[in-house]
Amino acid sequence: EVQLVESGGGLVQPGGSLRLSCAASGFTFSSYWMSWVRQAPGKGLEWVANIKQDGSEKYYVDSVKGRFTISRDNAKNSLYLQMNSLRAEDTAVYYCARGRGSTVTKSFDSWGQGTLVTVSS
Amino acid sequence: QSALTQPPSASGSPGQSVTISCTGTSSDVGGYNYVSWYQQHPGKAPKLMIYEVSKRPSGVPDRFSGSKSGNTASLTVSGLQVEDEADYYCSSYAGSNNWGVVFGGGTKLTVL
Repeated sequence: EVQLVESGGGLVQPGGSLRLSCAASGFTFSSYWMSWVRQAPGKGLEWVANIKQDGSEKYYVDSVKGRFTISRDNAKNSLYLQMNSLRAEDTAVYYCARGRGSTVTKSFDSWGQGTLVTVSS
Repeated sequence: QSALTQPPSASGSPGQSVTISCTGTSSDVGGYNYVSWYQQHPGKAPKLMIYEVSKRPSGVPDRFSGSKSGNTASLTVSGLQVEDEADYYCSSYAGSNNWGVVFGGGTKLTVL
């Protein structure tokens, strides 16, 4: 069974930093593109970033470019999101999601339960 | 990259059919056959219901179907059941715009 378990969320002040982690199990992690998708309270879904199987390609939504960094450790079956210069508008539940298929992500076939990030003073 | 446009709400009675639309542009929905639909119950993670416009993942009932015409995609839920009440989000691959995915704003489906 595919499992994705996020951790690392919490309350942080504007301008602060946070690192999210996602532990994957039940599938060959190194064979899939992985992504972070977020959902602000009461709002819709927003794709944040994705990363290729070997980490050689990374893409970001414009609003987080230069502030967030996606990375992965295939030996540890783990995905990460380093978030710097956080803003109030980054407040959301952050989901780790697996891309369906082996090419650049076009849909997400497995999701974690999410971790809440709150940016507030 | 602008979000795709969905109606905020839709409704139907048990056993009826309902269709939810998702409008984008030629740079996303109209440019690729990579439209997906997700179901999200309150407090839960999204679940993939349709991918590549009309394909269903294993385990998704065939009551759920997808289609596309031009820049507009649609999700049809036939034979509505109480458990279908949820938020539904469409998404589309955005290609060279950002090499990612753009989502719709979501539609709250109410089963009356």
